[in-house]
Amino acid sequence: DIQMTQSPSSLSASVGDRVTITCRASQSISSYLNWYHQKPGKAPELLIYVASTLQSGVPSRFSGGGSGTDFTLTISSLQPEDFATYYCQQSYSTPYTFGQGTKLEIK
Amino acid sequence: QVQLQESGPGLVKPSETLSLTCTVSGVSISSYYWTWIRQPPGKGLEWTGHIYISGSPSYNPSLESRVTISLDTSKNQFSLKLSSVTAADTAVYYCARLRNGGANRAFDIWGQGAMVTVSS
Repeated sequence: DIQMTQSPSSLSASVGDRVTITCRASQSISSYLNWYHQKPGKAPELLIYVASTLQSGVPSRFSGGGSGTDFTLTISSLQPEDFATYYCQQSYSTPYTFGQGTKLEIK
Repeated sequence: QVQLQESGPGLVKPSETLSLTCTVSGVSISSYYWTWIRQPPGKGLEWTGHIYISGSPSYNPSLESRVTISLDTSKNQFSLKLSSVTAADTAVYYCARLRNGGANRAFDIWGQGAMVTVSS
């Protein structure tokens, strides 16, 4: 199985801050990398696919980058609704696997 | 608008079979791949498997001996069965659409989730 490792596991930030979350795959996954966020008690929502393509309706303050084994998710200016848990997920091969999550909290 | 809704018992006894159904509206289930993903309380996400109208389902090897995913095109539903459950199978179970287009492969639409507790 491909292991996905996110850092940090948790992050405190303020509204308006720029934050970056990283995700590392245990082997090369080309650009088969997706990002989701999940708010408490809700289902995850797709934010970015193919490492850097915004899902329809996702604000442009979200951006993704990387290829191979190292990937990033950046939020350029945090909004109150962005405080959630973020997951990366590889779709390169089954079993599809997720990172352990990054909890983004209000400072 | 595509919507998914999980249904099934919220409590299952140890060693019995967990059964959930996902009802899809707004699109034919014959047109996409469909998947189940679970999340134990306070933990991360685990892909259990997916199915398409043609071909065999694909399952997570960690569950493969116990899991079955099937389609009912007449009802536009797909189902999950997990046998011989233990407390470790207690989780929120999400059904989701797997948009399968090469590198665009992603879980793009999710149900709200169904909490299933395994307990006697």
